[in-house]
Amino acid sequence: RKEVEQDPGPFNVPEGATVAFNCTYSNSASQSFFWYRQDCRKEPKLLMSVYSSGNEDGRFTAQLNRASQYISLLIRDSKLSDSATYLCVVIGNTGGFKTIFGAGTRLFVKA
Amino acid sequence: SQTIHQWPATLVQPVGSPLSLECTVEGTSNPNLYWYRQAAGRGLQLLFYSVGIGQISSEVPQNLSASRPQDRQFILSSKKLLLSDSGFYLCAWSVQGQGGNTIYFGEGSWLTVV
Repeated sequence: RKEVEQDPGPFNVPEGATVAFNCTYSNSASQSFFWYRQDCRKEPKLLMSVYSSGNEDGRFTAQLNRASQYISLLIRDSKLSDSATYLCVVIGNTGGFKTIFGAGTRLFVKA
Repeated sequence: SQTIHQWPATLVQPVGSPLSLECTVEGTSNPNLYWYRQAAGRGLQLLFYSVGIGQISSEVPQNLSASRPQDRQFILSSKKLLLSDSGFYLCAWSVQGQGGNTIYFGEGSWLTVV
């Protein structure tokens, strides 16, 4: 089993749709969780952190379920500019070394 | 604010030639530094990380090496490139903070070995 697994994708959705990305992790001792966005041929950029209480940033909502070792990202009212690859990131300890990136899920938002 | 610079942005190198990619971070002290590689259509693979000057840890055996001659400088090198070294190389940094070690990436270097 991979340490971090994401939906394989790609997701093709129309503008305005709601899309959900899922991610599971295997290390129950994992401490920190993030979603990154990566545009084609660019570096990954931090989208948002994920907290146990859930957090929202505009159209984006991130959720963490520690019991199920599951992370999600919800995008509401999709825009063309949301087209990118979304990476789930899990950090296993406080040393900063065991940062594991998921393989990413590609999203295509179409007019 | 913190910034990270990585260069060169793009390079095409023949098989067997040497490689040097350089990365510097500004606006922070004693960062953790990382080199990642992303092959075409693949996920990020951690190659090296460093917690301080001269301290390098390698995650996977490979044809590459890393050095940290200064606190905010990280260099990725190879004496002889292989075709399989082609990919997108990303330098990154982090510091311990609330919520854990958020990682920030440089703009990346595209390496094509021919």
